[in-house]
Amino acid sequence: EAGVAQSPRYKIIEKRQSVAFWCNPISGHATLYWYQQILGQGPKLLIQFQNNGVVDDSQLPKDRFSAERLKGVDSTLKIQPAKLEDSAVYLCASSREYSTGELFFGEGSRLTVL
Amino acid sequence: AQRVTQPEKLLSVFKGAPVELKCNYSYSGSPELFWYVQYSRQRLQLLLRHISRESIKGFTADLNKGETSFHLKKPFAQEEDSAMYYCALLLSSGGSYIPTFGRGTSLIVHP
Repeated sequence: EAGVAQSPRYKIIEKRQSVAFWCNPISGHATLYWYQQILGQGPKLLIQFQNNGVVDDSQLPKDRFSAERLKGVDSTLKIQPAKLEDSAVYLCASSREYSTGELFFGEGSRLTVL
Repeated sequence: AQRVTQPEKLLSVFKGAPVELKCNYSYSGSPELFWYVQYSRQRLQLLLRHISRESIKGFTADLNKGETSFHLKKPFAQEEDSAMYYCALLLSSGGSYIPTFGRGTSLIVHP
């Protein structure tokens, strides 16, 4: 089966600019996750979707981050405006259902904010 | 706070030596724990889960509820085991299940 696809792989922007990341989960996977991984730290969950509904977004900085999963398949994560501390790898993952801890990860999108 | 702690950022061993990657957790419910691995230039992937009680690539991990630990062990390390290892806890809260990761341990196996 095809894995989780993410784009772009790399993005460099100036602070206060905006950026969007795209994720296509494994076909049939109902749950989609966006994680932020800052250098030297473990992945931190930003938002979790079950189909097209939000399960948890308690750690999403909602003043600048937004995410959507229209039609319960692809998802987009947006940052506007970006800050220096947003420099990180943004990981998308999917799982067959929300109650499993077996996640399938994409390769990640590395963001550098200058 | 409910969380996962991996006390070592780096573990360096020689080929053939035993390996133990430490993971401690803090959780009020019945824990479900996992080990994930990321090899160089590859994506993060599941290595094993405590429920399955299986050995993957020679690695095992036993859940010790008394010590709140889920250490990852291998009796004889191989060079190809060099990677980042993340311990993860599935938090259950209000009907939702949140996979929560530790900061990771970098394992380097020298020839």
